Amino acid sequence: NAGVTQTPKFQVLKTGQSMTLQCAQDMNHEYMSWYRQDPGMGLRLIHYSVGAGITDQGEVPNGYNVSRSTTEDFPLRLLSAAPSQTSVYFCASSSNLGSGAGGEQFFGPGTRLTVL
Amino acid sequence: AQKITQTQPGMFVQEKEAVTLDCTYDTSDQSYGLFWYKQPSSGEMIFLIYQGSYDEQNATEGRYSLNFQKARKSANLVISASQLGDSAMYFCAMREGGGFNKFYFGSGTKLNVKP
Repeated sequence: NAGVTQTPKFQVLKTGQSMTLQCAQDMNHEYMSWYRQDPGMGLRLIHYSVGAGITDQGEVPNGYNVSRSTTEDFPLRLLSAAPSQTSVYFCASSSNLGSGAGGEQFFGPGTRLTVL
Repeated sequence: AQKITQTQPGMFVQEKEAVTLDCTYDTSDQSYGLFWYKQPSSGEMIFLIYQGSYDEQNATEGRYSLNFQKARKSANLVISASQLGDSAMYFCAMREGGGFNKFYFGSGTKLNVKP
C-alpha cells in the first residue's frame, strides 16, 4: 500500500494563478481531509469529505474548492492564489469507525506551496 | 475557545530522561478521541498514540504513554528514556463525537533532546 500520496511536493505560484493539489489514498478510507500548516498554528482544517460526492467546509475554506468523485481521490483547488495561501498543505484519510474508538488519520507527505 | 491547548512552545530534555508534553482540550461531547502526532524536521506526520474518552486505562505504546485525566480535560504525552531521534514537533489532537472524524490540532511543542 502506498498510503496517502500527494503531488506536487513543492510548488511556486504567482498571485492570481490557479492550481490543483492532488491527493490519493489506497486504503479504501471513507474520510479525507485537507489541512494547512502555518508556523505556530498547528494544522487547520480546510475542507473534508465523508465519502464520494460529499464534501463540507472546515475552519479555513475561503479560496479553496474540493470535490470527491471517487473514494480514492480528493483534489484541492486554489482558485486565485494569494500570498496568504503560502503554507504547507497536508491531505489525510481515515476509516469510518462510527462513534467508537480509534480512527487515527493517516497523512500524506505534504505539499509546500509558495505564492509570490 | 481553543479546542486543543499546548502551552509549551518549546522544551529541552536530556537524553535518557523522561519528559512530559502538556495538552488540554475542550469539548462537551461524551465520546471523543485524543491523539498525539510527531512531526520530525522532514515534515511528515507520524501517529504515536491514541486514547478514547471511555478508556479507563492510560494508553501506552512502547516509550510513549498518555496521562489521561478526564476531569481536568488533560491528555499529556509522556516520553520515557528520551532519544536524540525524539527531537521533533509534537501535536496533540482531538476527534469529537461520532460521524466525521473532524480533528482539532494544538499549536504544537518543539522538543529538543540534548546529548
